[in-house]
Amino acid sequence: EAGVAQSPRYKIIEKRQSVAFWCNPISGHATLYWYQQILGQGPKLLIQFQNNGVVDDSQLPKDRFSAERLKGVDSTLKIQPAKLEDSAVYLCASSLTGGGWQKLFFGSGTQLSVL
Amino acid sequence: GDSVTQMEGPVTLSEEAFLTINCTYTATGYPSLFWYVQYPGEGLQLLLKATKADDKGSNKGFEATYRKETTSFHLEKGSVQVSDSAVYFCASWVGGGADGLTFGKGTHLIIQP
Repeated sequence: EAGVAQSPRYKIIEKRQSVAFWCNPISGHATLYWYQQILGQGPKLLIQFQNNGVVDDSQLPKDRFSAERLKGVDSTLKIQPAKLEDSAVYLCASSLTGGGWQKLFFGSGTQLSVL
Repeated sequence: GDSVTQMEGPVTLSEEAFLTINCTYTATGYPSLFWYVQYPGEGLQLLLKATKADDKGSNKGFEATYRKETTSFHLEKGSVQVSDSAVYFCASWVGGGADGLTFGKGTHLIIQP
């Protein structure tokens, strides 16, 4: 079974530039999450999708971050404009259905460096 | 708010040693508790979980027991191997509509042969 795919693996940009990350979840998984993991900290939830609808985006900095999952499959996360403090690993995860008790399947992440 | 606290790393042990990684939580209500592991170069993967008090999760020789009285979910293994070297994350989920997990900061475990 193919896992959660993310790209790019690494990205280096300057502050105030924009960047986009892509995620392809496991086939058939209805729920998709984006987490932000700053160096030395645990992952923090940014946004949760159920199919193509947003379930929770309470911790997404909406003035600069946006995310979409138009057809209920792939998802993109965008940052515009980037700040130094956005340097982190961005993790995508999926689960078969919603519910926090479900097993999450994580991708390898995109490591973002903002200079 | 909800939080998870883990012992700081790195934790360095010799092969076949006994492992304990401490994890405590604060939450409104009774959360489900998880241990996720991240091997070098790989994504996080679920190691074990427990959904109610006194439940014991186990997998690959690792165990953790949900202790409500001490709000803890310590990870243990009787005899570690070099292949257990990884970063271990404790996490909780309280529910109430949002499904996101609250993660600890992670504990880097290094097993020396």
